[in-house]
Amino acid sequence: EPEVTQTPSHQVTQMGQEVILRCVPISNHLYFYWYRQILGQKVEFLVSFYNNEISEKSEIFDDQFSVERPDGSNFTLKIRSTKLEDSAMYFCASTGWIGSYEQYFGPGTRLTVT
Amino acid sequence: ELKVEQNPLFLSMQEGKNYTIYCNYSTTSDRLYWYRQDPGKSLESLFVLLSNGAVKQEGRLMASLDTKARLSTLHITAAVHDLSATYFCAVDEGETSGSRLTFGEGTQLTVNP
Repeated sequence: EPEVTQTPSHQVTQMGQEVILRCVPISNHLYFYWYRQILGQKVEFLVSFYNNEISEKSEIFDDQFSVERPDGSNFTLKIRSTKLEDSAMYFCASTGWIGSYEQYFGPGTRLTVT
Repeated sequence: ELKVEQNPLFLSMQEGKNYTIYCNYSTTSDRLYWYRQDPGKSLESLFVLLSNGAVKQEGRLMASLDTKARLSTLHITAAVHDLSATYFCAVDEGETSGSRLTFGEGTQLTVNP
């Protein structure tokens, strides 16, 4: 069964460093998302992406964040200068086609900022 | 701002018992989702409810949606230990595909032998 994959599974970085989290959505899916979950808290929306551009972003997704679909398969989230409060689990998700709604989540990348 | 509230947030129950988790939301939406999350793991889709009155069942879990009351329920029948996990409801208030999901706080369910 097709699934969303994410790499790395765990990333440790120092405050102020740049990180890139990578996702491979399900093949032929059209809509892509990033969510984050701070330990013990609920899942929060960061950004959605469709047709090679951001379709919606939350107030969390400030200038330190960016997303890119550099080729036909990868979808990346970049944090330019990480802060301690960026430590969280980051989930990528994708939705299939126009008129479908279910979001399929990847296994997540645990980001630890020290 | 859309608010999604679940209750209870913590639920400890005995095997074999029944219980219901409630999810209230503050907007007019007819798309609601239930996810399961095991500790340190991703979100597993359980149910997708796309219209008022929708009811779906899978094994010991049954979910329903009442869009007029802005309420969804997740009913657990004859709980077993394997159901121990955190359950999230999420609401999609967009008009098209690709809309953000707004999640509830989650209900941490523990089923004791």
